[in-house]
Amino acid sequence: DAEITQSPRHKITETGRQVTLACHQTWNHNNMFWYRQDLGHGLRLIHYSYGVQDTNKGEVSDGYSVSRSNTEDLPLTLESAASSQTSVYFCASSPGNTQPQHFGDGTRLSIL
Amino acid sequence: KQEVTQIPAALSVPEGENLVLNCSFTDSAIYNLQWFRQDPGKGLTSLLLIQSSQREQTSGRLNASLDKSSGRSTLYIAASQPGDSATYLCAATDNYGQNFVFGPGTRLSVLP
Repeated sequence: DAEITQSPRHKITETGRQVTLACHQTWNHNNMFWYRQDLGHGLRLIHYSYGVQDTNKGEVSDGYSVSRSNTEDLPLTLESAASSQTSVYFCASSPGNTQPQHFGDGTRLSIL
Repeated sequence: KQEVTQIPAALSVPEGENLVLNCSFTDSAIYNLQWFRQDPGKGLTSLLLIQSSQREQTSGRLNASLDKSSGRSTLYIAASQPGDSATYLCAATDNYGQNFVFGPGTRLSVLP
C-alpha cells in the first residue's frame, strides 16, 4: 500500500545543532506539507510545496527550511535548533487542492 | 487571517448517542474544509473533505455539513461507539489552496 512515512519517530538534540526530519510518500502526490503541533497552539503550518522545486512559507516558518527535489520527499531542516522548536512535527500530502490531506505518524523532537 | 474555533472542547457521551461537533471559521472565502480524527500519540486520519461548493459530505455514520455564509461546519456522528473516542479536528483553508488553519479540536469520549 502507498503510504507516507516520517523519520525519525523520536529525536533528542541540543540547541544550535542542525536537524533534518524526513518525510517520504509513495502516492506520487503533488502537494506536501509540514506542520507542528503544540499544546495551546494546535497544528500550525510551517512550509508547503505544490510540486518539485516549489516551496512556500507557512504561518510559522522562521528557523525552518524545506527543499523539494523530487515528488516523493520533503525534508524539513532546522538550521540552528532552539528550545522553542521542541514539538511534534507532522508531514502531510495530497494529490491536489480538491483532495484530502493524509498525514504521517509524526516526529517527536526534543531540543535541550 | 483565518481563525478556526471548535465547540465544545471536550464531550463525553454514552454509547449509542447521536452527537454533533461544531467548527466555526472567520473568513467565509474558504476553498475547502476537512475533518480529521486524532488518536493519542498518533497522526491525523482524514474523515471528510467538503469543497466550498458543497453543502455536505457523508461517510458511513459520519456526516459533515458546511455553511459558508455563517462560517460554520458541523460533524454529525450517528450511533456513537467507544471506538469513536478521539480528538476531532476541523481545518479550513485561508486561500485558494490547501493552506489549512486548524481548530483546537474537540476531545470525544464515548462511554460503554
